[in-house]
Amino acid sequence: SQTIHQWPATLVQPVGSPLSLECTVEGTSNPNLYWYRQAAGRGLQLLFYSVGIGQISSEVPQNLSASRPQDRQFILSSKKLLLSDSGFYLCAGGTSGGAAKNIQYFGAGTRLSVL
Amino acid sequence: DAKTTQPTSMDCAEGRAANLPCNHSTISGNEYVYWYRQIHSQGPQYIIHGLKNNETNEMASLIITEDRKSSTLILPHATLRDTAVYYCIVHISGSARQLTFGSGTQLTVLP
Repeated sequence: SQTIHQWPATLVQPVGSPLSLECTVEGTSNPNLYWYRQAAGRGLQLLFYSVGIGQISSEVPQNLSASRPQDRQFILSSKKLLLSDSGFYLCAGGTSGGAAKNIQYFGAGTRLSVL
Repeated sequence: DAKTTQPTSMDCAEGRAANLPCNHSTISGNEYVYWYRQIHSQGPQYIIHGLKNNETNEMASLIITEDRKSSTLILPHATLRDTAVYYCIVHISGSARQLTFGSGTQLTVLP
């Protein structure tokens, strides 16, 4: 199975500051990668997903961007954080091609507080 | 992805079996049923998945009705550490699309 490394676990940032969250994947090659956000007490909202290096699909218009500079690296960024960017950010990895490989493995998450 | 319906919350006594139901009456033939759980303040964890046959692994059993319109996740001997939100998801095999997490069922295992 895959292991998703995500850091930091907790982050407090002022409004208007930049953001960079990094996610790396271990245990597989050419994974599909995902960034989700979860508001308190709510379900997961997909922000971005990537099926390969340099390929990013955005699900919702927002203040954030994503990049995939390497096969097993996925980065979530913002140039200027907004209060509404606060939340629990989760990176996930999965592989396509058959149900057994369509499982998504999640990182431990980053709790971002924008003040 | 087909929509799923789950009870908002359930309680279960420690050591007893926890049976979590899920309705997915609009499931299509190429959609699998997946179960994940999320312990508070952690990332979701994959539990089990199936297409039409019952499945069992070291964590749980999955019972899918013959018409595939509903399923039940069974935790045979619930422990306090099984307290979590359990999500039932139907998803097309091989699709890179995201998993659609609904509200799930908050399972509380009571001592």
